Amino acid sequence: NAGVTQTPKFQVLKTGQSMTLQCAQDMNHEYMSWYRQDPGMGLRLIHYSVGAGITDQGEVPNGYNVSRSTTEDFPLRLLSAAPSQTSVYFCASSETSGGRETQYFGPGTRLLVL
Amino acid sequence: AQSVSQHNHHVILSEAASLELGCNYSYGGTVNLFWYVQYPGQHLQLLLKYFSGDPLVKGIKGFEAEFIKSKFSFNLRKPSVQWSDTAEYFCAVNGNTGRRALTFGSGTRLQVQP
Repeated sequence: NAGVTQTPKFQVLKTGQSMTLQCAQDMNHEYMSWYRQDPGMGLRLIHYSVGAGITDQGEVPNGYNVSRSTTEDFPLRLLSAAPSQTSVYFCASSETSGGRETQYFGPGTRLLVL
Repeated sequence: AQSVSQHNHHVILSEAASLELGCNYSYGGTVNLFWYVQYPGQHLQLLLKYFSGDPLVKGIKGFEAEFIKSKFSFNLRKPSVQWSDTAEYFCAVNGNTGRRALTFGSGTRLQVQP
């Protein structure tokens, strides 16, 4: 198993540009989520999905869209990038296990918005 | 809402010193507790987790953590650190809410000097 994969690893955008961060997992996990990591703030939840076709907002959803058309993929879209979205983005997935679930993280995407 | 506090933001130790990193959470219900480690330039890796049972949990690389329910704490310990333990350490809580997301502390940067 490759686990959780993310592309690209690095990206530089100009303000106003759009892009999609890709996330895929091959573990047949129902639950997937996106976090952003900023210095001194730990990781904060952006959006999450409990299964194909179901998504919901997390702690910091503004400026981001998600969709979940398949179990494997959970892309994160920035419609109009802003410098405040400069961050490291991590995707995670987990399976349902009676409330005892462990989230596994991808390698991250480092995004710089100029 | 649940929250996690990590009181030590930056810790510097010499090799062979003992380590204890504090983690306190606020949530009134049943919690799942985690410690993740992020080595420089890498993604988050699970160190250990607590769901229920023995409050002393052993993880990888000689780390352990103790859940003290009365103190809402889940401190991470290691008797003798190595230079390779230099990393950032994150405490996280899952309060078994419908969101199933992790709430992270702000992280503790550990620097081990040879």
